[in-house]
Amino acid sequence: NAGVTQTPKFQVLKTGQSMTLQCAQDMNHEYMSWYRQDPGMGLRLIHYSVGAGITDQGEVPNGYNVSRSTTEDFPLRLLSAAPSQTSVYFCASSRSALLSYEQYFGPGTRLTVT
Amino acid sequence: GENVEQHPSTLSVQEGDSAVIKCTYSDSASNYFPWYKQELGKGPQLIIDIRSNVGEKKDQRIAVTLNKTAKHFSLHITETQPEDSAVYFCAASRGYSTLTFGKGTMLLVSP
Repeated sequence: NAGVTQTPKFQVLKTGQSMTLQCAQDMNHEYMSWYRQDPGMGLRLIHYSVGAGITDQGEVPNGYNVSRSTTEDFPLRLLSAAPSQTSVYFCASSRSALLSYEQYFGPGTRLTVT
Repeated sequence: GENVEQHPSTLSVQEGDSAVIKCTYSDSASNYFPWYKQELGKGPQLIIDIRSNVGEKKDQRIAVTLNKTAKHFSLHITETQPEDSAVYFCAASRGYSTLTFGKGTMLLVSP
């Protein structure tokens, strides 16, 4: 198993540009989520999904969209990038959406918005 | 919503010493408390977790204790080694997969 994969590893955007961060898992996990990590702020939940076709907002959803058309994939879209979205983004998955189990994190995408 | 406070933000110890990181949570309905280790340039990785029906759990050199009454839980690392140097995060959950994380503790173990 590859686990949780994320692409790209690094990205530089100009203010106003759009892009999609890709996330995929091959463990048939129900639950997938996106976090952003900023210095001194820990990991903050952006959006999450409890299964294909079902998504919900986390703590910091503004400026981000998600969709989950398959169990494996959970892309994160930035429609109009802002400097405040400069961060490291992590995707994670867990086998159950109803019970708390280990979350497996991807290697992260470092995004810079100029 | 849940709020998780983590202390200290940095912790320096000598190799072989013990390290303790403490977290408090606000939501009395939280019942799952994992600890994650993040090495430089990598995603966080689970090292130990505890559920609210257990007061303590050990795995070799690491242990976690939970005090539900006081709403705090702690990570204990004994006989620290340089490879333990990393950022450690505590988290809390109400029993489904959504986690609230603390802000992290950078642990530095000097040889």
